[in-house]
Amino acid sequence: QVQLVQSESELKKPGASVKISCKASGYNFISYAMNWVRQAPGQGLEWMGWIDTNTGNPTYAQGFTGRFVFSLDTSVSTAYLQISSLKAEDTAVYFCARDLSLGVSCDFWGQGTLVTVSS
Amino acid sequence: QSVLTQPPSASGTPGQRVTISCSGSSSNIGRNYVYWYQQLPGTAPKLLIDRNDQRPSGVPDRFSGSKSDTSASLAISGLRSEDEADYYCAAYDDGLNGPVFGGGTKLTVL
Repeated sequence: QVQLVQSESELKKPGASVKISCKASGYNFISYAMNWVRQAPGQGLEWMGWIDTNTGNPTYAQGFTGRFVFSLDTSVSTAYLQISSLKAEDTAVYFCARDLSLGVSCDFWGQGTLVTVSS
Repeated sequence: QSVLTQPPSASGTPGQRVTISCSGSSSNIGRNYVYWYQQLPGTAPKLLIDRNDQRPSGVPDRFSGSKSDTSASLAISGLRSEDEADYYCAAYDDGLNGPVFGGGTKLTVL
């Protein structure tokens, strides 16, 4: 069965970096793009962008350029989200989600990774 | 401020029918499919309605979606306590070149 398993919660200080993993299983990893979605505490869903798992080419949504980097290790069917120069407002749950169509239709989601940025 | 507009809350009693609206524009709902997600407390979103009105496998037929011009609706009939969740609409936005979400509607089953 299809599963996306994300890394555990992280507590980071402002200015630090964090790298979240999303390990896929149960399907051919490179057949589906992977989306990243942010949900700040008590807030709605925000599409961060996606990565073409076949080519490794990332696409970032407005507001998620510069400090956010999507990457892959196809040998272990894993997608990564790295955030640098963390700020308090980066505190959120980050989800990876398998793409069916243009980032709007996502049929399988990771369980989410809470990143807390606090001094 | 979300690109798609949803009411922040909705409620109903068990067995009732409730609808949740989603308003957009010509650059998103007006020319693209609408999708609906259900997010139970403390869990990841789940795709509830695909391409305006299609239910993925396993989604009960109590859930239905519709779209007209630049608006869409999610209807839930035979409301059950386990339907208590946040519901989000989503659509591709041609101007922003990416998906946009509504702010979410918290459904309470009284």
